[in-house]
Amino acid sequence: GENVEQHPSTLSVQEGDSAVIKCTYSDSASNYFPWYKQELGKRPQLIIDIRSNVGEKKDQRIAVTLNKTAKHFSLHITETQPEDSAVYFCAALNTGTASKLTFGTGTRLQVTL
Amino acid sequence: GAGVSQSPRYKVAKRGQDVALRCDPISGHVSLFWYQQALGQGPEFLTYFQNEAQLDKSGLPSDRFFAERPEGSVSTLKIQRTQQEDSAVYLCASSLLLGVRKNYEQYFGPGTRLTVT
Repeated sequence: GENVEQHPSTLSVQEGDSAVIKCTYSDSASNYFPWYKQELGKRPQLIIDIRSNVGEKKDQRIAVTLNKTAKHFSLHITETQPEDSAVYFCAALNTGTASKLTFGTGTRLQVTL
Repeated sequence: GAGVSQSPRYKVAKRGQDVALRCDPISGHVSLFWYQQALGQGPEFLTYFQNEAQLDKSGLPSDRFFAERPEGSVSTLKIQRTQQEDSAVYLCASSLLLGVRKNYEQYFGPGTRLTVT
């Protein structure tokens, strides 16, 4: 089955700096890669996703890049703000044969003033 | 519109008790998923329904876990004879039919935090 690894497990940045979180996946058939933000005690919220037919997608301060050959994808947050502090999860899905999202282990992002 | 809702939000059970966790998906969402999230970990897949049909239950950890969605809307996850290792947050997610209009987004509920003592 699919295996998703995520790094780093914790990340501390100063307000205004950029943050990058990286994930690798094992199943080359995976073709949908969402990112979720989870604040303490809250539900995971989808913040951005990318499909395998594109290499990059951007939405305001967040962007995701995908390298299918290397089987890795990354989340980039620019101009970080304190409200960006949360746990971020990457996930992978093979839309052709599977229904379930396979998640990474999460990155706790702390944005300090 | 309302998002995915789950009840109860918190449940404390003594070891050996049975529990039932409820999920109300977004109206019109055909697909429904259950995930288990241990402390400090990412959600792990338990089972998936399309309407009332349970199409994948490969993630259920033991035969003590049972899920149903008899009318294709509300779903219940039941855990029999709870054990301490069952302590986790149980998340429900719903989605428009996978693949329709190429929509794969899963929307999560707030979860039920189960503590087995």
